[in-house]
Amino acid sequence: AQKVTQAQTEISVVEKEDVTLDCVYETRDTTYYLFWYKQPPSGELVFLIRRNSFDEQNEISGRYSWNFQKSTSSFNFTITASQVVDSAVYFCALSVGGDSNYQLIWGAGTKLIIKP
Amino acid sequence: ETGVTQSPTHLIKTRGQQVTLRCSSQSGHNTVSWYQQALGQGPQFIFQYYREEENGRGNFPPRFSGLQFPNYSSELNVNALELDDSALYLCASSFFYNEQFFGPGTRLTVL
Repeated sequence: AQKVTQAQTEISVVEKEDVTLDCVYETRDTTYYLFWYKQPPSGELVFLIRRNSFDEQNEISGRYSWNFQKSTSSFNFTITASQVVDSAVYFCALSVGGDSNYQLIWGAGTKLIIKP
Repeated sequence: ETGVTQSPTHLIKTRGQQVTLRCSSQSGHNTVSWYQQALGQGPQFIFQYYREEENGRGNFPPRFSGLQFPNYSSELNVNALELDDSALYLCASSFFYNEQFFGPGTRLTVL
């Protein structure tokens, strides 16, 4: 069975602090994709990143970085120098079966609060 | 480039009624997926449409049905509404199996 666990229900930090959101996944497939999405209070899910199971390179995009470790089945997301605009619910998701679209399996989300 | 749009934004229905939600795909996209998101939870996959046919379905009963039109827009229909159907319904479009882009959602309240 496939499953995504985001153990942190809510995280609150002061602006400019670094924060890491954890994501642990379970799948027996060897080919899969992992995603992070951001959901601001407006409700619209915003795509942040897709990573396939064969690419364990970490990725950095501005203040965002992602650490993919197959050995621990984790795909963690770090925001450096957090800003109030980063406040949102962040979801980690998994797609299996060799494609990156079919039936995304979602974690429960982590609510991130950035205080000024 | 126009993003994914959904209508209506909010909807209030009573138990037993039927509802139709609409989604317009982002320009250039040919695949539409629908998700249900209950308050405080992650989205749950309902089904996906490609070339006007259902291309996968999550664990939802047959009273949840859908359509995709030749212009790739889509409808989600829910019959015999139940209180537990109250949720945010999200539509996502993509080009084949690439990243999904989401609309703003329709907030359905069943009384």
